[in-house]
Amino acid sequence: GAVVSQHPSWVICKSGTSVKIECRSLDFQATTMFWYRQFPKQSLMLMATSNEGSKATYEQGVEKDKFLINHASLTLSTLTVTSAHPEDSSFYICSGQTLYQPQHFGDGTRLSIL
Amino acid sequence: AQSVTQPDIHITVSEGASLELRCNYSYGATPYLFWYVQSPGQGLQLLLKYFSGDTLVQGIKGFEAEFKRSQSSFNLRKPSVHWSDAAEYFCAVALKTSYDKVIFGPGTSLSVIP
Repeated sequence: GAVVSQHPSWVICKSGTSVKIECRSLDFQATTMFWYRQFPKQSLMLMATSNEGSKATYEQGVEKDKFLINHASLTLSTLTVTSAHPEDSSFYICSGQTLYQPQHFGDGTRLSIL
Repeated sequence: AQSVTQPDIHITVSEGASLELRCNYSYGATPYLFWYVQSPGQGLQLLLKYFSGDTLVQGIKGFEAEFKRSQSSFNLRKPSVHWSDAAEYFCAVALKTSYDKVIFGPGTSLSVIP
């Protein structure tokens, strides 16, 4: 149980385009979803926290206009990287959480901006 | 400042040998404690967690961890390592007053020699 599906798993796109990443909780309702960024050989850095139906809370230093997060339902959150540039290339991981339960992570999306 | 440290960046063990990965935390009170494993290019899988009670916690894949309050440690152990255990291991903590904020340690990369 507690499966989180992330799509796509890998995306390559040109600089200047926008990319949307989906995060779905398949068998539970995720009242809170989290988005992390992970650079090679590094740990996960929390980007933002989103609660269903509310605006996301961004961590310090994360540009909210660049990383748009939508959490429209209890099973779906999306991260849109707007006007992506090579420095946005990274591994993005989402997680979903039900109240008082540990986070369950998706398999991540590798984003490569050319 | 609150922090999670994993002193060993990289560990190499022989298949069949025992394993211990170290984790120390610095918080004002005992937080929730987790160990996650990440295979290359994948998301995170929860190995085990400690909330309260018995300080020796059993997890999946034959792993266990022991919480030692006096040492602010939560070390992960496995009596006999398998080649498939090669991965990145992250210790993580969450404050009991803010369960959704999970802080990850820097990770320990485990290599297994056949």
